[in-house]
Amino acid sequence: QSVLTQPPSVSGAPGQRVTISCTGSSSNIGARYDVHWYQQLPGTAPKLLIYGNSNRPSGVPDRFSGSKSGTSASLAITGLQAEDEADYYCQSYDSSLSGYVFGTGTKVTVL
Amino acid sequence: EVQLVQSGAEVKKPGESLKISCKGSGYSFTSYWIGWVRQMPGKGLEWMGIIHPGDSETRYSPSFQGQVTISADKSISTAYLQWSSLKASDTAMYYCAKKGEYFQHWGQGTLVTVSS
Repeated sequence: QSVLTQPPSVSGAPGQRVTISCTGSSSNIGARYDVHWYQQLPGTAPKLLIYGNSNRPSGVPDRFSGSKSGTSASLAITGLQAEDEADYYCQSYDSSLSGYVFGTGTKVTVL
Repeated sequence: EVQLVQSGAEVKKPGESLKISCKGSGYSFTSYWIGWVRQMPGKGLEWMGIIHPGDSETRYSPSFQGQVTISADKSISTAYLQWSSLKASDTAMYYCAKKGEYFQHWGQGTLVTVSS
């Protein structure tokens, strides 16, 4: 049972903007630990999408953006494209568990 | 180019032992932590534990402590995840990942199937 909660699914038409929330608590996101996001395309390994709350690794389109406030974080995808259809996971550190935690995961569907 | 290459898929029976591997290349293997992540069929990612190959310091998720053993052989740039007695519930995809501040590079995954 993950300590970071995400909506199970979000969907949008091509070109639209969708956001994915990641809700934590005072022992993880609220404790000022960074949030990172991963994209998992069907049948493949996860790939780093956003690091340090809002930074994109080289090669990640600027359609993807991240933010963090209080005990939550968000991933936004603008100009949704068919190839964005994937599962997305947030990740942080939890001081109560003394370990790393992943969000419950969100499936993005492009309509 | 950083690469993490994992060992191939395994099919085992309940009660059997297993050790899967993750070989790193393209970076200083002893300078970065290697983590292991489980993904059960149709489910999300779960952090299992992490090892620093430089000094073999290891940390486990409370959910996996005592259930698996993580080790590394820095002489061959390889990290391991092992079970002494598999259960059907260990059926999953297992990923290794190189960690700095985040899991920056991932292996391709090793599918472990435990079935009688």
